Formats: sequence, structure tokens, C-alpha cells
Amino acid sequence: SQQGEEDPQALSIQEGENATMNCSYKTSINNLQWYRQNSGRGLVHLILIRSNEREKHSGRLRVTLDTSKKSSSLLITASRAADTASYFCATDAQGGGADGLTFGKGTHLIIQP
Amino acid sequence: DTEVTQTPKHLVMGMTNKKSLKCEQHMGHRAMYWYKQKAKKPPELMFVYSYEKLSINESVPSRFSPECPNSSLLNLHLHALQPEDSALYLCASSQDSVRVAEAFFGQGTRLTVV
Repeated sequence: SQQGEEDPQALSIQEGENATMNCSYKTSINNLQWYRQNSGRGLVHLILIRSNEREKHSGRLRVTLDTSKKSSSLLITASRAADTASYFCATDAQGGGADGLTFGKGTHLIIQP
Repeated sequence: DTEVTQTPKHLVMGMTNKKSLKCEQHMGHRAMYWYKQKAKKPPELMFVYSYEKLSINESVPSRFSPECPNSSLLNLHLHALQPEDSALYLCASSQDSVRVAEAFFGQGTRLTVV
């Protein structure tokens, strides 16, 4: 079963605007990760935030984590056409579950030039 | 070298064929994974190898058979597949468990079963 649920499922914005995607999950986690996927090829790791962290930055990316609400958000600032992709949140399973990532449904982001 | 290499990139096979997908990494990672991804869906975990031992089999049909010959290589043997098995098959590796580390993904093998 899927752990994460992203919203929106699709997002179209103008180049230069900020894009925000949200993710909710169900069980306790050790960390939450965000990945990008271009055109159905391999996934690229963007950022990992641990369960004891609340916010993390990497370049134009800002991720927040609220473990009390079991939710996370990914903000991409000053978007570029090259940011067009699908974005997935992924969680591990804390406490002895399957040792692999469980992915949310993803947000398909389109940046209009 | 931060790459996970998957071969072939594309594969078309009949339902009676036997084929293998290959995955290789030289980052010294101790965990390797197979995921299956259908169109417009998220990746779904199939197999996990940790220190060359199969630790998780997510109730995948026996027509999929994983093999980890050594810590750098991961194979997925395919036999008697069904058309609904057509998908993108992704290999990934991580330095240790994904409980503490990020995963690196290959570009995938796009499999079509005819």
C-alpha cells in the first residue's frame, strides 16, 4: 500500500513562480525523501529530511516536515522550464517494516516558459 | 562514480521467453532494490537485497526471480511473463538502509511483454 499521498496531482505554473507540493503519510518514519523523475526514466534524489528535523534547504528547494501531522512540503523557488517533471515523496518504515522506500502518488509539475 | 547502470534500456519479450535484467553499481553500496513502475503510477518495491542477502520479497510472483551475484551486481530473471507485467523496472542502491540514506536509481529498463 502507498505510504505517501501528494497533492496536487498536477500543477502548472509560469516560469519564475514558486511551486509547492504537499505530501502526507500514515506511519511513523525515520526519514522522508523527495525524488524527481523526468519523462518516466530514473528517479533523482533531491533531499532527505530526518524525523527530528523540521526544515531543510538545498539550493532552490525547501522541504518542511511536520511529524505531528504526518505531512511534508516541497517548495521550489524561482521555477525553471527544466523543473518540469514528476515529484515523489518517499518514506521508509520505522520499526522493522520493509526496508525499502514507499512512494506517494506524485505531483506532475509543468513549468510554462 | 555515482551511477547505477541498468541494461538493457528497452526489452520486448514474448510470454514464453526467458530474459534477464541487469543492474550494476560501483559505489560500495550494501543495499540494492528492484522496483516496478507502471505508467503514471509511483514505483512499487519488489525486492530488497541487503549485504547480498534477499531480505524482502514483497509477494512478487515467482515468474520474477532476483539474484545478487556480488555486492555490485543485481539481476532480475524473467520467465513466462504476462502482458500486464509490462512496465518500467528500476534498480536502486543505497549506502546502507534507506532508513538512514538516500537511494540512487538507474535509468530503468522499459519492458514490453507481447
